[in-house]
Amino acid sequence: DAGITQSPRHKVTETGTPVTLRCHQTENHRYMYWYRQDPGHGLRLIHYSYGVKDTDKGEVSDGYSVSRSKTEDFLLTLESATSSQTSVYFCAINPGGRTEAFFGQGTRLTVV
Amino acid sequence: GQQVMQIPQYQHVQEGEDFTTYCNSSTTLSNIQWYKQRPGGHPVFLIQLVKSGEVKKQKRLTFQFGEAKKNSSLHITATQTTDVGTYFCAEVEYGNKLVFGAGTILRVKS
Repeated sequence: DAGITQSPRHKVTETGTPVTLRCHQTENHRYMYWYRQDPGHGLRLIHYSYGVKDTDKGEVSDGYSVSRSKTEDFLLTLESATSSQTSVYFCAINPGGRTEAFFGQGTRLTVV
Repeated sequence: GQQVMQIPQYQHVQEGEDFTTYCNSSTTLSNIQWYKQRPGGHPVFLIQLVKSGEVKKQKRLTFQFGEAKKNSSLHITATQTTDVGTYFCAEVEYGNKLVFGAGTILRVKS
């Protein structure tokens, strides 16, 4: 699993509340990514990071922010959760020098 | 919008039958990767194709990259129940960002 841990694994939250998902890696990889998975859409990139404090937007970044203050942690925040953000969220890393991604176990988020 | 179109969306096959999923793009792909996701699991890398016309095999799986690098396919020979899951193709963009197809869900009847 390339040393990737996502937390929490499941969460139910109410509309309008802030939510933070955490991705932790143990191998000091530079590149980290957040994707969301929805039926009929595959996985879509939300935000990504090239290093500490170096982040950028992906295809579906509206309503999300990220932070990376340490190499090992990449946080995804929903400032005010909406029902459209109900999804499965995957963190991924790229070991660098190789292009295949390794994914975490995923976080299932339900916004009610 | 999605740059990589993947078909079919679903495929139910009898165990022992073959299975193929296709990815198509209107633009030339730099390279393409394939991932498998078991039900309830996370995507797992299968292979990367880079060269025009490339064909790679992994046991019963055959991966092809079109001559024009605008399409790719994954073919499974004689499916088994262990093959169930969703198969994704993904284009690799700058920064190793992935643009995924919508995936093909494979169900195998034993």
